[in-house]
Amino acid sequence: GAVVSQHPSWVICKSGTSVKIECRSLDFQATTMFWYRQFPKQSLMLMATSNEGSKATYEQGVEKDKFLINHASLTLSTLTVTSAHPEDSSFYICSAKSEGGGNEQYFGPGTRLTVT
Amino acid sequence: DAKTTQPPSMDCAEGRAANLPCNHSTISGNEYVYWYRQIHSQGPQYIIHGLKNNETNEMASLIITEDRKSSTLILPHATLRDTAVYYCIVGSSNTGKLIFGQGTTLQVKP
Repeated sequence: GAVVSQHPSWVICKSGTSVKIECRSLDFQATTMFWYRQFPKQSLMLMATSNEGSKATYEQGVEKDKFLINHASLTLSTLTVTSAHPEDSSFYICSAKSEGGGNEQYFGPGTRLTVT
Repeated sequence: DAKTTQPPSMDCAEGRAANLPCNHSTISGNEYVYWYRQIHSQGPQYIIHGLKNNETNEMASLIITEDRKSSTLILPHATLRDTAVYYCIVGSSNTGKLIFGQGTTLQVKP
């Protein structure tokens, strides 16, 4: 149980284009999902909290107009990187929060984005 | 959210127990201790969490001191596949947010 998937697993796009990444909780419902970014040899950095049916909450320094988050259902959240630039190249990881007492999170396998 | 302090790296012999320490001296009453691990180029894997009691599951044991200011993750019989970065995180059960530190790189050696 508690499986989270991401699609695509990797993507290469040209500078100036937009890329959408999907995050799905496969066997549980998640009212809250999270998006992280990880650069090489660094730890995960929380970008935003995605709440089903409401606007996402972004961490300080994360541009909400550049990283569009939509959480349209209890099993799907999407992150769209708009007008991508090479510096947006990174490993993007989502997680879904368990609704159990401990609120532990289950992570997707990540999406490797390369902007050329 | 309370911060955690972990050693940057540790080695462990295959088949032996791996004991990973974590300090979280500023933890507050409603904050849980979570442990995750990340194998290279994969998403983090949930291991275990606890509030104040010791916990055990099929992967590991979590020992939390009585004052809750530190904890130890125990992998009872480490294998080469346990080589990973282990993150100890203190998180609020209200927001659910997890703030990752640098973690401990555990190297299990034959």
